Amino acid sequence: DAGVTQSPTHLIKTRGQQVTLRCSPISGHKSVSWYQQVLGQGPQFIFQYYEKEERGRGNFPDRFSARQFPNYSSELNVNALLLGDSALYLCASSWGEQGNSPLHFGNGTRLTVT
Amino acid sequence: AQTVTQSQPEMSVQEAETVTLSCTYDTSESDYYLFWYKQPPSRQMILVIRQEAYKQQNATENRFSVNFQKAAKSFSLKISDSQLGDAAMYFCAYRTLRNNNDMRFGAGTRLTVKP
Repeated sequence: DAGVTQSPTHLIKTRGQQVTLRCSPISGHKSVSWYQQVLGQGPQFIFQYYEKEERGRGNFPDRFSARQFPNYSSELNVNALLLGDSALYLCASSWGEQGNSPLHFGNGTRLTVT
Repeated sequence: AQTVTQSQPEMSVQEAETVTLSCTYDTSESDYYLFWYKQPPSRQMILVIRQEAYKQQNATENRFSVNFQKAAKSFSLKISDSQLGDAAMYFCAYRTLRNNNDMRFGAGTRLTVKP
C-alpha cells in the first residue's frame, strides 16, 4: 500500500510569491495534518483537517491556508512568502482525529524562499 | 501551553550497546499520548513507539522501550542492541485530544551509531 505522498519534493520560490503544496493520505485515512519543520527544530503544527473540515490551527499567520478535498487529499497554500517560510513541510495522515490515532508522515516538501 | 524538552542534542552509542534518550514535557492535562518518532536522512518521520498516559505499563516494541514516569513528566526511550540503521534524529512528541489534536514535538536528539 502506498504511504503518504507529497508533491513536489523540492521547491524554490522568491519572496512575495505564493506556493501550493499537495498531499495524498494513506488510503482509508480521513484526517490530514500539516507541519512546518525549520532546520534544526522539531515539526510545528499548522493545520488539521478531518472529513474536509478544519479541526485545528496552529500559531501561523493568515498567509497560511489549507483545504481538504472529497478524496481526502489536501493542499497547503502560503501567500506572500517570506525568507522565514523556508522549511520542510510535512503532511501526515491518520485514520481518525482522536489523539490515539497515530500520524503517518510523508517525506515532506523542502521549500526554499530566496 | 504544552512543551516538550529534549535535553540531549546529540547522543552516540556503540553498535550492539544500549542507549537512552531523554524527554520531559509540561502539561496540565490528565489524558494525553506520548510518542517517539525517528527521522532518518530520508526525512520521513517514522513512528517508533507510543504510550497512553492512562496506562501505567511501559510500552515496548521489539528493541525499543520507554520509561514513562507520569508524575515526573518524563518519557525516555531505550534502544537495546543498537544497530547501524538506528542512526537518525529522534523526536519526542506529545498529543492531547483537547487542544485541536495538534502534536507538540521536542527539538530532537541526533543519534549516531558507531560500528
